[in-house]
Amino acid sequence: EPEVTQTPSHQVTQMGQEVILRCVPISNHLYFYWYRQILGQKVEFLVSFYNNEISEKSEIFDDQFSVERPDGSNFTLKIRSTKLEDSAMYFCASSESNRGRTDTQYFGPGTRLTVL
Amino acid sequence: QQQVKQSPQSLIVQKGGISIINCAYENTAFDYFPWYQQFPGKGPALLIAIRPDVSEKKEGRFTISFNKSAKQFSLHIMDSQPGDSATYFCAASETYSGGGADGLTFGKGTHLIIQP
Repeated sequence: EPEVTQTPSHQVTQMGQEVILRCVPISNHLYFYWYRQILGQKVEFLVSFYNNEISEKSEIFDDQFSVERPDGSNFTLKIRSTKLEDSAMYFCASSESNRGRTDTQYFGPGTRLTVL
Repeated sequence: QQQVKQSPQSLIVQKGGISIINCAYENTAFDYFPWYQQFPGKGPALLIAIRPDVSEKKEGRFTISFNKSAKQFSLHIMDSQPGDSATYFCAASETYSGGGADGLTFGKGTHLIIQP
């Protein structure tokens, strides 16, 4: 069964460093998302992406964050200058279409980001 | 207000019993209500979802009940099994009229334990 994959599974970085989290969505999916989950808390929406541009973003997704689809398969989340509070599990998700109604979002296994 | 309020925070049910998790929302524009199941170290996986044109949806042992006037929806797990032990998240989103991608607003999660 097709699945969303994410790399790395765990990323440790120093405060102020840049990190890039990578995702490979399901191959025929057109809509892509990033979410984060701080340990023990709820899953929070960061950004959605369609047709090579951001569709929607939350208040969390400030100028330190950016997303890109550099080729036909990868979808990346970049954090330019990490802060301690960026430590969280980051989930990538994808959906096949929107068709005017929300379609099922399939989540990857996540990347645990630890900022020291 | 975009919040989705979920209760209880944790729930212990005997094997064979009924597990009930409740959610309430405020944004009347929400028109898609999925439930996700998450096991430790894994990403959320869609369990069942409902749209407001029906008041109930059943898939196997899982049922969503939806009350549009009260802005509430709940998950019922019949004949609960130890393998159902996981964290359950309700979520909601609204149709993105621009044709782009909708972000999900999640509840805080319910940690469900099914005792053998």
